[in-house]
Amino acid sequence: EAQVTQNPRYLITVTGKKLTVTCSQNMNHEYMSWYRQDPGLGLRQIYYSMNVEVTDKGDVPEGYKVSRKEKRNFPLILESPSPNQTSLYFCASSRSGEGYNEQFFGPGTRLTVL
Amino acid sequence: GQNIDQPTEMTATEGAIVQINCTYQTSGFNGLFWYQQHAGEAPTFLSYNVLDGLEEKGRFSSFLSRSKGYSYLLLKELQMKDSASYLCAALDSNYQLIWGAGTKLIIKP
Repeated sequence: EAQVTQNPRYLITVTGKKLTVTCSQNMNHEYMSWYRQDPGLGLRQIYYSMNVEVTDKGDVPEGYKVSRKEKRNFPLILESPSPNQTSLYFCASSRSGEGYNEQFFGPGTRLTVL
Repeated sequence: GQNIDQPTEMTATEGAIVQINCTYQTSGFNGLFWYQQHAGEAPTFLSYNVLDGLEEKGRFSSFLSRSKGYSYLLLKELQMKDSASYLCAALDSNYQLIWGAGTKLIIKP
């Protein structure tokens, strides 16, 4: 089944404790992206990757890191989480980052930072 | 700046028709997407328009006017399962998606 998977689905942590949210897609997509979704603000892009070893900042990259060492994986790293990073996070992928391309979303990771 | 505007919330009756509007201002334009998102779930693709006009897909239709920076999503024969948020997103000249905050649609029996 073609899909985007994320782990963990739910996470409660404390300020300053490094964490990684994994994202993997099995559709051989070139483009991958991380979003956060907060009430009333819609989806905001954190980082995106046009292909392996190519990553770029989105609209709200502060406090986050990403890497794209393999085509299928695009982990999101929070080196020192803070309470303002409490949010619902979505990973998404599409065939390409250019032109029309439907994005496929993972199931989401609900993160709470205390 | 770049901006997407859509109503925060709408209410409609089961079996009726509802139109969700979206206006956009972007640096260049390469098309407009509509996604559906049920509460607590991931967004799923509904439609993509790049040319002016109406595109119909079953009970859902999407319209685009590039000159007016305007789109709408039309849902017919509403069902309870259509209760969800509907996200409008425009693709700018750099092929970056600019997302609206979403319209929460409440369907009443």
